[in-house]
Amino acid sequence: SAVISQKPSRDICQRGTSLTIQCQVDSQVTMMFWYRQQPGQSLTLIATANQGSEATYESGFVIDKFPISRPNLTFSTLTVSNMSPEDSSIYLCSATPPRTVKETQYFGPGTRLLVL
Amino acid sequence: AQSVAQPEDQVNVAEGNPLTVKCTYSVSGNPYLFWYVQYPNRGLQFLLKYITGDNLVKGSYGFEAEFNKSQTSFHLKKPSALVSDSALYFCAVRDRDSGNTPLVFGKGTRLSVIA
Repeated sequence: SAVISQKPSRDICQRGTSLTIQCQVDSQVTMMFWYRQQPGQSLTLIATANQGSEATYESGFVIDKFPISRPNLTFSTLTVSNMSPEDSSIYLCSATPPRTVKETQYFGPGTRLLVL
Repeated sequence: AQSVAQPEDQVNVAEGNPLTVKCTYSVSGNPYLFWYVQYPNRGLQFLLKYITGDNLVKGSYGFEAEFNKSQTSFHLKKPSALVSDSALYFCAVRDRDSGNTPLVFGKGTRLSVIA
């Protein structure tokens, strides 16, 4: 299966600070997706990141709060800005690498964020 | 718009008994359907998918799912449950005609297999 790694795996942050999460895929992909999983909840799509263009954000998510970078076809970052306790969640990176099971999205291990 | 419903928050089953985790979906066109599993403190792992062809799909760890177009369902099944199957299960859908759009997930069903 595809290898998608994320850093950091977990962090505890103070309110008002920002955290940047890195996602690395072991092959080139066109689209990368960022999801949020709040405690006890399902996955909610934050945005779709295409290389060379602005990320596309879902309703309820804005670029100022969740800026995304996509500098090349294997890497993306998601920043959670000006954090509050409500941002405590698991953040998951996802992609559909070409050499994997067709049409299937694969997920990184997630970044567990706790905001105090 | 695409959506997925998992009507059960929790499913409890005795070890060795068959298990079913329910999923129904809504898409405007034809669906791609997926099941993922999330073990405690782990990421999502792909279990199986339906794209086209045989309605009964077999996946990892002995799981299978049956696509039923008339009932718009894609229930996950396993003939004999193991304690190690205890986890959070997510059903997901994508409209086949929407290109490489991201998956839409159900709210998840927590499976507890009791020894």
